[in-house]
Amino acid sequence: QVQLVQSGAEVKKPGSSVKVSCKASGGTFSSYSFNWVRQAPGQGLEWMGGIIPIFGTPNYAQKFQGRVTITADKSTNTAYMQLSSLRSEDTAVYYCARALGGAYFYFDYWGQGTLVTVSS
Amino acid sequence: EIVMTQSPATLSVSPGERATLSCRASQSVSSKLGWYQQRPGQAPRLLIYGASTGATGIPARFSGSGSGTEFTLTISSLQSEDFAVYYCQQYNNWPWTFGQGTKVEIK
Repeated sequence: QVQLVQSGAEVKKPGSSVKVSCKASGGTFSSYSFNWVRQAPGQGLEWMGGIIPIFGTPNYAQKFQGRVTITADKSTNTAYMQLSSLRSEDTAVYYCARALGGAYFYFDYWGQGTLVTVSS
Repeated sequence: EIVMTQSPATLSVSPGERATLSCRASQSVSSKLGWYQQRPGQAPRLLIYGASTGATGIPARFSGSGSGTEFTLTISSLQSEDFAVYYCQQYNNWPWTFGQGTKVEIK
């Protein structure tokens, strides 16, 4: 079955960057869309951006343009999300989530989440 | 971007009772609407997509309806494991957006 396994929790200083990984197994990696959704403590879900590995071009939510970079490595079936210029408001659980793509951007599989804490 | 508004924020229901959750879009999203369940400390789980199609392995007590701007998630007879937060999400217009969630709690 499909599994998305994310890298472990991170503690970062304000102004630094974080890179979170998401390794997929059990499906055809390249043709799906891999997305990043974050959830601040006690808050709702926020889509950040996504990538379809076979095409390689990411899409980002306007809010994160210029600070987020999403990539995918087809050789290892792994998607990555890097967020730079971190501030305290970026403290959140970051999830990777798979979508079929095309006209079907609902998220059928999710990673376990990665807690990123930004603190001086 | 499309704003998704869920109501109520909190719903108190007794086990075995029916729960009805609402989701409204600021403009039409056709039937491109998903529902997710999130239990404490867990990742969200897809329940419904296409406004009314149950995801794989989801119990039949969960059903979705609606199109355009008004959507409903119904849980026909609440079980203990159904007490959680529920989110709707539109995928008709980029960027994909979520509602703020409805917490279903034990009455």
